[in-house]
Amino acid sequence: GQNIDQPTEMTATEGAIVQINCTYQTSGFNGLFWYQQHAGEAPTFLSYNVLDGLEEKGRFSSFLSRSKGYSYLLLKELQMKDSASYLCAAVAYGQNFVFGPGTRLSVLP
Amino acid sequence: NAGVTQTPKFRVLKTGQSMTLLCAQDMNHEYMYWYRQDPGMGLRLIHYSVGEGTTAKGEVPDGYNVSRLKKQNFLLGLESAAPSQTSVYFCASSYSPPGAGETQYFGPGTRLLVL
Repeated sequence: GQNIDQPTEMTATEGAIVQINCTYQTSGFNGLFWYQQHAGEAPTFLSYNVLDGLEEKGRFSSFLSRSKGYSYLLLKELQMKDSASYLCAAVAYGQNFVFGPGTRLSVLP
Repeated sequence: NAGVTQTPKFRVLKTGQSMTLLCAQDMNHEYMYWYRQDPGMGLRLIHYSVGEGTTAKGEVPDGYNVSRLKKQNFLLGLESAAPSQTSVYFCASSYSPPGAGETQYFGPGTRLLVL
């Protein structure tokens, strides 16, 4: 079976750093995606990790530990526009994406 | 390029009515997907297609049917709508299969309310 978990809500202050965690139990795991979804809009791709370690893209970084079934998305220098839901999705060989419930991030001034 | 488009954007149905949601993509993608998104439950796969003329069931297919007569279009049908089908529906597409490490591209969503 497949199971993915994320915190439901998080709050952070503009200019701060926030880490959003995602844990998964996926047979045949082959990678983990992160998406950003603003309220009322479509999910948009942020990052993809297949190997252990940290992938950095500007203010956003994503980390994966395959042995621990754990990933996190790190957002630096938070801006008001980063207020959104962040979805993690695990993919396995020959299987479809399995999405977590999403984490709603509120950035306060 | 328009990417992935969906029509309609919003619809209200009465219980028992039928409707079809249309998804179109102009990226020549082989793979297309229909998801529903409900509060606290994330995106759940309803049906998907691996190419023109093919369809397959996802995680929550009951009460829905799909067709992929043309490569660029993927239709989702509700034959007899129920209040439990109130949701936001997202269509997505990709060039490669999910396990290939390529992202899926999502449409803007259709908000459906069944009374």
